Amino acid sequence: KQEVTQIPAALSVPEGENLVLNCSFTDSAIYNLQWFRQDPGKGLTSLLLIQSSQREQTSGRLNASLDKSSGRSTLYIAASQPGDSATYLCAVLRTGNQFYFGTGTSLTVIP
Amino acid sequence: DGGITQSPKYLFRKEGQNVTLSCEQNLNHDAMYWYRQDPGQGLRLIYYSQIVNDFQKGDIAEGYSVSREKKESFPLTVTSAQKNPTAFYLCASSPAHLQPQHFGDGTRLSIL
Repeated sequence: KQEVTQIPAALSVPEGENLVLNCSFTDSAIYNLQWFRQDPGKGLTSLLLIQSSQREQTSGRLNASLDKSSGRSTLYIAASQPGDSATYLCAVLRTGNQFYFGTGTSLTVIP
Repeated sequence: DGGITQSPKYLFRKEGQNVTLSCEQNLNHDAMYWYRQDPGQGLRLIYYSQIVNDFQKGDIAEGYSVSREKKESFPLTVTSAQKNPTAFYLCASSPAHLQPQHFGDGTRLSIL
């Protein structure tokens, strides 16, 4: 079974700072990896999807990287804003199987 | 606008009672999913359906039941056999199984 870990569980940064969120997974036989954002009491919003053959994906101030061999992905957020405050989850799709979600990193950007 | 609608937003269950959570999508997606989210844990898969009239158990199906009579609807029943039902329940859909998922806004279930 795929185990997905996200560290740290919570992070507070001042506005404008660049930051990195981490996602680790135990089984490198993945099909893709997806990063989501979740606002309190809401569902998940997809941010970035990285296929197993890709190394990174970018969308605006967000950049996600994938290193299958080491079982790691990072989400880089540039020039953080208070509106970025949310919980960020990664989900790994194991080949031919189901999605496995991490426990999330709760981000607070302080104005 | 296309999307996924979950209702109700909040639901309360009495001991020994079955309750049904609604999930409707107008995205014309074939696959639909139910997840449970507890504090400090990742989402866990309860049931999924790849196509109408077919569904499969996920990791934590015990105490839950589903049906998929229509493409756009995938209701989840939390039965009295589920001893710890208090959680946030999320429904998702995707064009086909294992493709990127779109999520509803969730239903929070509590026990009276």
